[in-house]
Amino acid sequence: GQQLNQSPQSMFIQEGEDVSMNCTSSSIFNTWLWYKQDPGEGPVLLIALYKAGELTSNGRLTAQFGITRKDSFLNISASIPSDVGIYFCAGQLSRSWGKLQFGAGTQVVVTP
Amino acid sequence: GAVVSQHPSRVICKSGTSVKIECRSLDFQATTMFWYRQFPKQSLMLMATSNEGSKATYEQGVEKDKFLINHASLTLSTLTVTSAHPEDSSFYICSADTKVNTEAFFGQGTRLTVV
Repeated sequence: GQQLNQSPQSMFIQEGEDVSMNCTSSSIFNTWLWYKQDPGEGPVLLIALYKAGELTSNGRLTAQFGITRKDSFLNISASIPSDVGIYFCAGQLSRSWGKLQFGAGTQVVVTP
Repeated sequence: GAVVSQHPSRVICKSGTSVKIECRSLDFQATTMFWYRQFPKQSLMLMATSNEGSKATYEQGVEKDKFLINHASLTLSTLTVTSAHPEDSSFYICSADTKVNTEAFFGQGTRLTVV
């Protein structure tokens, strides 16, 4: 089956620094999504990417859908304490929007 | 955005008993819902696709007789963990496809602890 590799596994950064994480896949996805999950909660969608090469921003977040459709990255600029959490990339498995394959997650810790 | 609600948010049960988890779409009809399982410090793994009015489709390695899924209405899917054992302790999360919005909406999850 398709494999999603997400890195880094964790990041410890100072407030104000930028954060970058990425995902690569062994095969093509038609849609890439980035979610954030707080402890004990379901994931919340941050950015959705629908076209190869697409670069999309949402506030301090920027994500890109790789040209090969096998990779994506997420950047967080000027991190703040509330950015703490686990960030997941996900690829859409079918035409149903809820059927996703998730990466392993990147835990972000922001220190003041 | 669309709202998906899970109930209960936490449940503790004894080994050998069954537990039912509900997933409701509050402001839209969902012909398709999805159930995920997340073990501590791990990612979400798709367990099954719940189809309104028909049998659920299970991912490889997921026991359909252990994880019973019922999608009897357009707004409700239930996951029943039968004869639960401690290794079934996990965070169960559902999502729903609105068929209109180009994104999936997730419930808040259910923490199951089997003792």
